[in-house]
Amino acid sequence: EAGVTQFPSHSVIEKGQTVTLRCDPISGHDNLYWYRRVMGKEIKFLLHFVKESKQDESGMPNNRFLAERTGGTYSTLKVQPAELEDSGVYFCASSQDLGLAGSDTQYFGPGTRLTVL
Amino acid sequence: RKEVEQDPGPFNVPEGATVAFNCTYSNSASQSFFWYRQDCRKEPKLLMSVYSSGNEDGRFTAQLNRASQYISLLIRDSKLSDSATYLCVVNIHSGGATNKLIFGTGTLLAVQP
Repeated sequence: EAGVTQFPSHSVIEKGQTVTLRCDPISGHDNLYWYRRVMGKEIKFLLHFVKESKQDESGMPNNRFLAERTGGTYSTLKVQPAELEDSGVYFCASSQDLGLAGSDTQYFGPGTRLTVL
Repeated sequence: RKEVEQDPGPFNVPEGATVAFNCTYSNSASQSFFWYRQDCRKEPKLLMSVYSSGNEDGRFTAQLNRASQYISLLIRDSKLSDSATYLCVVNIHSGGATNKLIFGTGTLLAVQP
């Protein structure tokens, strides 16, 4: 079974430019999450989709970040315009929907390493 | 104060040693607990879930103390391949609507030959 995939693996852009990250979850997983690790800090939650709906976007840093999941399959995370502090590793994860049973295992993609110069 | 606190290490141990990692969490609403393993420049991978009754998977034993809000991981007979960063992770469910993971900064383990 294919795991979570992310594209690109690395991106180097200049401050003020736009970057779009893509995540393809495990097939059949309704839940899709974005996380970010800034250098020296812990991995932090950004947002959670259930199918195409944003369930929780409390971790999104500001309105320069836009996440979409049209059709409930893959997701994109756009940063526009990028700032220096946006540099880090952006991880995507997916999980099956176990309804109100609560916790289900989140499987992580390899991440996109973003460097803003 | 961080929501999940871990000793960052590094823990340098010889092969065959037993090593213990500890973690505390601050949010009493935390409902699920995990240890993830992350190799250098790779994604986090679930090592094991942690239950109040304690659970064991081969050389790995995890414990949870809800009263103290404390989680531990014990690795026996360390192997070179155990070298990695171990992430303590809690899951907060908010009215069943969200399922976000809260990560500690991780503890770096280096097993020496």
